[in-house]
Amino acid sequence: AQSVAQPEDQVNVAEGNPLTVKCTYSVSGNPYLFWYVQYPNRGLQFLLKYITGDNLVKGSYGFEAEFNKSQTSFHLKKPSALVSDSALYFCAVRNNAGNMLTFGGGTRLMVKP
Amino acid sequence: EAQVTQNPRYLITVTGKKLTVTCSQNMNHEYMSWYRQDPGLGLRQIYYSMNVEVTDKGDVPEGYKVSRKEKRNFPLILESPSPNQTSLYFCASSPGVLPNQPQHFGDGTRLSIL
Repeated sequence: AQSVAQPEDQVNVAEGNPLTVKCTYSVSGNPYLFWYVQYPNRGLQFLLKYITGDNLVKGSYGFEAEFNKSQTSFHLKKPSALVSDSALYFCAVRNNAGNMLTFGGGTRLMVKP
Repeated sequence: EAQVTQNPRYLITVTGKKLTVTCSQNMNHEYMSWYRQDPGLGLRQIYYSMNVEVTDKGDVPEGYKVSRKEKRNFPLILESPSPNQTSLYFCASSPGVLPNQPQHFGDGTRLSIL
């Protein structure tokens, strides 16, 4: 069975500082990894994905993620946080058959002015 | 505008009263799925459909039914709701089942079962 772990319930960072939201995964076969963001009273919005190729993936709103196969991690990063980045972030893995998407428990990012 | 539309957005009801949450997408997507979101648990998959008339159980299917009679619609049915089904529900779709395809999500339906 596949699984995703987000070890931090909340991450606090000051505006302008770099941020990292952590994610580790377990899956059989090739990992298809995603980051989604959820704003209050809204559905999840796709940020970025890793399929194969470069270990540093760039996505929407200046976010990027670093894939590390040996550590089975896919951490979300941004060089300079904005207050508007405050939201709930989910890491997810889709199985090779494509029919199942498994989410981590979510990490709330709080960016303070 | 490409979107996944869920109705209702909010519903308070009582135990045992059958309810249906509708989901419609206008992107001609083949794959659709239902999730429930509970604090600390992330989103868990309830049912999914790979195409019309093809549905299958996800991780937490107990107490739920679905149908896929048309490509665009994928309703979630609670035949006899119970308080443990109080949750935030999301419908999602993707063009197909290729694993590299991100899913598009509706805005959610908050259900309270008293």
